[in-house]
Amino acid sequence: SQQGEEDPQALSIQEGENATMNCSYKTSINNLQWYRQNSGRGLVHLILIRSNEREKHSGRLRVTLDTSKKSSSLLITASRAADTASYFCATGHAGNMLTFGGGTRLMVKP
Amino acid sequence: NAGVTQTPKFRVLKTGQSMTLLCAQDMNHEYMYWYRQDPGMGLRLIHYSVGEGTTAKGEVPDGYNVSRLKKQNFLLGLESAAPSQTSVYFCASSYRDREQGTGELFFGEGSRLTVL
Repeated sequence: SQQGEEDPQALSIQEGENATMNCSYKTSINNLQWYRQNSGRGLVHLILIRSNEREKHSGRLRVTLDTSKKSSSLLITASRAADTASYFCATGHAGNMLTFGGGTRLMVKP
Repeated sequence: NAGVTQTPKFRVLKTGQSMTLLCAQDMNHEYMYWYRQDPGMGLRLIHYSVGEGTTAKGEVPDGYNVSRLKKQNFLLGLESAAPSQTSVYFCASSYRDREQGTGELFFGEGSRLTVL
């Protein structure tokens, strides 16, 4: 079974709006990572947040982590049509495994 | 600047045939992984390796074998292909995060396998 579950499964917004995706997980983690996948391509790493961190920024991306609620969120500000992709959260556990969720499909309309 | 390279990119097999997917990385990473991606299922870990000569099972290892004879290569084998193994296969590699275990993964572009 998958550790992380993204919500929503699909999201459609207008260019310039913000996009928020959530990830929930079940067991304790070492870190949580977010990845992006364009259609037909491999996944690309966006950001890693450690279990002892609460918030992290990278350009237009903001990730939060709440270990008490076992949840994380990815915020993309001022979205662009080029942000259209699937976004996955992945949880890092002891034993060197990284477990992925089912992803959120984001469509940004120009 | 190749990163992670997978071959072949596409393959069609008949049920019962065997094949090997090759993954090569040029970043001197210790860890390598094989995932499969099916519609609506996200990525599921098949096997992984934390170093040359070592392999371990992931979430869905049945029907697959792997080998890591050289640090830069990680091979995924299907001994007797089944239609349920129709999927897109992704290889990834990562450095070892000293504090947290698994660091950022670098992915290949995928290998699309169809088993008839």
